[in-house]
Amino acid sequence: TQLLEQSPQFLSIQEGENLTVYCNSSSVFSSLQWYRQEPGEGPVLLVTVVTGGEVKKLKRLTFQFGDARKDSSLHITAAQPGDTGLYLCAGAGGSSNTGKLIFGQGTTLQVKP
Amino acid sequence: NAGVTQTPKFQVLKTGQSMTLQCAQDMNHEYMSWYRQDPGMGLRLIHYSVGAGITDQGEVPNGYNVSRSTTEDFPLRLLSAAPSQTSVYFCASSYSIGAWWDTQYFGPGTRLTVL
Repeated sequence: TQLLEQSPQFLSIQEGENLTVYCNSSSVFSSLQWYRQEPGEGPVLLVTVVTGGEVKKLKRLTFQFGDARKDSSLHITAAQPGDTGLYLCAGAGGSSNTGKLIFGQGTTLQVKP
Repeated sequence: NAGVTQTPKFQVLKTGQSMTLQCAQDMNHEYMSWYRQDPGMGLRLIHYSVGAGITDQGEVPNGYNVSRSTTEDFPLRLLSAAPSQTSVYFCASSYSIGAWWDTQYFGPGTRLTVL
């Protein structure tokens, strides 16, 4: 069974602080996606990383895919209250090659003004 | 485009009742799926479909049925609701299955409570 473990599960920080969320697995994935979900809404895709070692930046968000394509991280610089939400990583194209996305359990981020 | 729409947004059922959660998309996506989201457990796949007339089970299919008679619609049926099915249900669609570049588009969710 493929699993994606996210850490931490909950993070509460002050506006302006930096933070990193981790997504780890013992399985190799062809790609890894990060979604953000706000209360009462469905997840929205932030980024897809596909190459080992790949780094993508989206304004203050930096996403990295591990060299072995088993892990990923999301780093937020100078967090703002608008960054508050649930962050989910999801892996595709793993060893079972079912074409389905495997989701981590999520990291709830609270940024206080 | 409306994207992915789900109805109802909220529902309360009694144990043993049946109901259908509706999902529709107007993006001509072949791939549609249903997830449930429970606290601390992320999203778990219930059923999915790779096209009209084709459905398959996901990780947690027990207690749920699906059908896909058209490309646009993918309803989820609870035949006999149980308290363990209290959850938030999301429908999602994407252009294809498993392609590394694919974006899954999620609906706004249905919050279901079974008493």
